[in-house]
Amino acid sequence: GAGVSQSPRYKVAKRGQDVALRCDPISGHVSLFWYQQALGQGPEFLTYFQNEAQLDKSGLPSDRFFAERPEGSVSTLKIQRTQQEDSAVYLCASSLGSAGDTGELFFGEGSRLTVL
Amino acid sequence: GNSVTQMEGPVTLSEEAFLTINCTYTATGYPSLFWYVQYPGEGLQLLLKATKADDKGSNKGFEATYRKETTSFHLEKGSVQVSDSAVYFCALSGRDTGRRALTFGSGTRLQVQP
Repeated sequence: GAGVSQSPRYKVAKRGQDVALRCDPISGHVSLFWYQQALGQGPEFLTYFQNEAQLDKSGLPSDRFFAERPEGSVSTLKIQRTQQEDSAVYLCASSLGSAGDTGELFFGEGSRLTVL
Repeated sequence: GNSVTQMEGPVTLSEEAFLTINCTYTATGYPSLFWYVQYPGEGLQLLLKATKADDKGSNKGFEATYRKETTSFHLEKGSVQVSDSAVYFCALSGRDTGRRALTFGSGTRLQVQP
């Protein structure tokens, strides 16, 4: 497709399970971002990739969160030993260049994670 | 650090009413400012932007002016339509800090009634 694709759209996990969320950015986009959006809140930055390099992971809330983009295209956000506070919508966004310059991020529809 | 404060919603208006959604920010340096919109069932998309003081961003009848003296970027539209019902997010990009990511406000839900 032409846009950013995320899967799964919905994920229910039992507390303590590991989950993996996938993001397919727009082809050729250099920058890729992960955000976490709690109910009724704005997106909160998690991590940023420029091609395959993870340049900023300052927003990852704990060492249970891990992201990778090994070939500079598809990215995976992994959450280990999920907790209830991890319940949120996880948004992926990509941009052609450095989004800090233009701000034009293209967002996927998100993966809604519910931890029971 | 950087932060964005938006007026709380929901904002409920009748069709053709005038819209203002307030946004103020705190940032070091000279950020770029943005409004993103999220229509029901869709991902966030860029509505408009301004990259320096006194710039006016505009799109689809919406406007916002970068006011450095008041650290504000209020969103306005002269005549709203039912199709404008969505959640609107104000955001900034702190280029001077080297941070590539956007900082978002908490969002304001707009409901336009026919």
